[in-house]
This record gives sequence, C-alpha cells and structure tokens, in this order.
Amino acid sequence: EVKLVESGGGLEQPGGSLRLACVSSGFTFADHAMTWVRQAPGKGLEWVSGISASGGSTYYADSLKGRVTISRDNSQNILFLQLRSLRADDTALYYCAKWSTATTLLGYMDVWGKGTMVTVS
Amino acid sequence: NFLLTQPLSMSESPGKTVTISCTRSSGSIASTYVQWYQQRPGSSPIILIYEDRHRPSGVPDRFSGSVDSFSNSATLTISGLKTEDEATYYCHSYGVNHQVFGGGTKLTVL
Repeated sequence: EVKLVESGGGLEQPGGSLRLACVSSGFTFADHAMTWVRQAPGKGLEWVSGISASGGSTYYADSLKGRVTISRDNSQNILFLQLRSLRADDTALYYCAKWSTATTLLGYMDVWGKGTMVTVS
Repeated sequence: NFLLTQPLSMSESPGKTVTISCTRSSGSIASTYVQWYQQRPGSSPIILIYEDRHRPSGVPDRFSGSVDSFSNSATLTISGLKTEDEATYYCHSYGVNHQVFGGGTKLTVL
C-alpha cells in the first residue's frame, strides 16, 4: 500500500522556522517527483513546492520563494520542506503528494498524505 | 502565470447530472493537461481525472472530464449523483515550473 505520512508541524511564532517531513512507503520513492501543497483553514489548495525524482530540479510558488526549501533523501524515502520567516498567513495544513511521474512538469498527484498542521501565532 | 476559475458552489439532487467548469485566464486550456481532484470534508484530496479525460482505476465512470478550446475551459461531469459525491472539486494544471489549482467548487447533493 502506498503511504505518505507527514510530520513536523506545530505551533510556531512569527519569524520562526519549521522543517516538515514526509515519510513514504509502498513505492519506489526515487522514481517519483514529489510536491507540497497547503490548505489554509476553510480555504482551497495552494501549491507550495515540487521536486523531481532525482532531487536535481526544484520549484517554488512565487508567494513563498526565498522562504522555503524542498529537499529529499532517496536513501531514506523522506521528503522535506524547510519553512523560514514564518508568517500568520503560513498557517495551513501541509500535504505531501506523490507524482505519477519522475518530473512535476507532467503527470499528476496520485497519492496524498493526511497532512501536518502548521500554526503561526 | 494564469488562473483557473471555478464556480464557488453548486447544488443538485441525487440521480441528476452536474457539470463543473474550470476556465483558464490566459493561454490555451489545451496547452497543458487538466486534472480534477475531489476532497471530501475532513479528508485529503484524491485524483478523479488526469490528462483532461482519463480516470484512474477505481474511479467510477460516472465521473468524466473534457476540455473545450472555444470557451478555454475544462469541465468535470458527474452523472447519477450520489450523496457521497458531496465534496469540493478542484481543477489543476501546470504553469511554467509551477502548478495551478482552481479555487474549488463545493458541491452539495440534496
């Protein structure tokens, strides 16, 4: 069974930092691009960042560029998202999602985790 | 960057058919594939339609997708509505090195 389990969320003060993790199982992690999508309470989905299967290509939403870093450890099957200079509007449920392909330039998000909640206050 | 615009909410009765639109603000809707995701209350999104019109295994054929270049829109059609279809539906497509989601359409089935 393909499984994605996010962790690392919590309550953080404005200006602080958090590192989110997404542990993957049930598929060959190194063959798939991965992405982070967030959802503020009562709001829609917002794409945050994506990374290719090899980790060689990374992409960021303009609204977050400079404050986030996506990375992955293919030996441990873990995806990361480093969030810095946190603001109140970063408060959201952060999902990690598996892509159907090795690149986020094609394909789709075929499996989603349950998310980890980040609250900035 | 382009936007994907969806109606905020829709409602329909069980057994009926509903169509949800997703209009691209600039550039051709046909230039990049459109996906549709369903998010039930309290749950994570799941993929319903990929590459404009394809259903992953396990998705009922009551769900179908299409693209219309004339209106520059993609459409999700749900036929034979069931109460379990009550959810928020998001369209998604690709920009240059980024992803774009529509704002979501909350579907009420009553």
